[in-house]
Amino acid sequence: AQSVTQLDSQVPVFEEAPVELRCNYSSSVSVYLFWYVQYPNQGLQLLLKYLSGSTLVESINGFEAEFNKSQTSFHLRKPSVHISDTAEYFCAVSGDTGFQKLVFGTGTRLLVSP
Amino acid sequence: DADVTQTPRNRITKTGKRIMLECSQTKGHDRMYWYRQDPGLGLRLIYYSFDVKDINKGEISDGYSVSRQAQAKFSLSLESAIPNQTALYFCASGQGDAGELFFGEGSRLTVL
Repeated sequence: AQSVTQLDSQVPVFEEAPVELRCNYSSSVSVYLFWYVQYPNQGLQLLLKYLSGSTLVESINGFEAEFNKSQTSFHLRKPSVHISDTAEYFCAVSGDTGFQKLVFGTGTRLLVSP
Repeated sequence: DADVTQTPRNRITKTGKRIMLECSQTKGHDRMYWYRQDPGLGLRLIYYSFDVKDINKGEISDGYSVSRQAQAKFSLSLESAIPNQTALYFCASGQGDAGELFFGEGSRLTVL
């Protein structure tokens, strides 16, 4: 069975500073990895995903994540955050038997202040 | 309009009452899911369905039941609500090999 660990429950950061949200996974099979974002009072939205190919994946709003198989990690990074990035971020994993079941981490709340 | 719609958005009820949360999606997806979100615990899967005739238990299905009335509709029931079922419930749909789930805006349930 797969599992996901997000060690940081909350990450405070100043606007325009870089940020890294950590995600480690555990799986006995090949995995597919996802980051979802939840803005206040909204549902979750897909931010980016790793299915295969290049281990570095990017989102349209400047976030990127790198799949590291040897370290079983999929950390999310942004070189310069904005106030509007304040949200909760969830890492998720599914196995290569299909995309049918996502297992989510406990989430990391990113707090961006001026 | 939202692709995945949940009703009600907010509900306060009493212990022992029967509650139904409804979900409908307009994306034509085969797969539908119910998750529960609790602070510090992330999202946990309650039930999922791959098509109208296929219902599967997730990791925390005790105390819940579901019905897939049509491809587009998937409802979650609490036959006898208890306070520790107070949570934010999310419905989601998905299909194909993209791995993306589309979430509703959530139904906040409070059981007194």
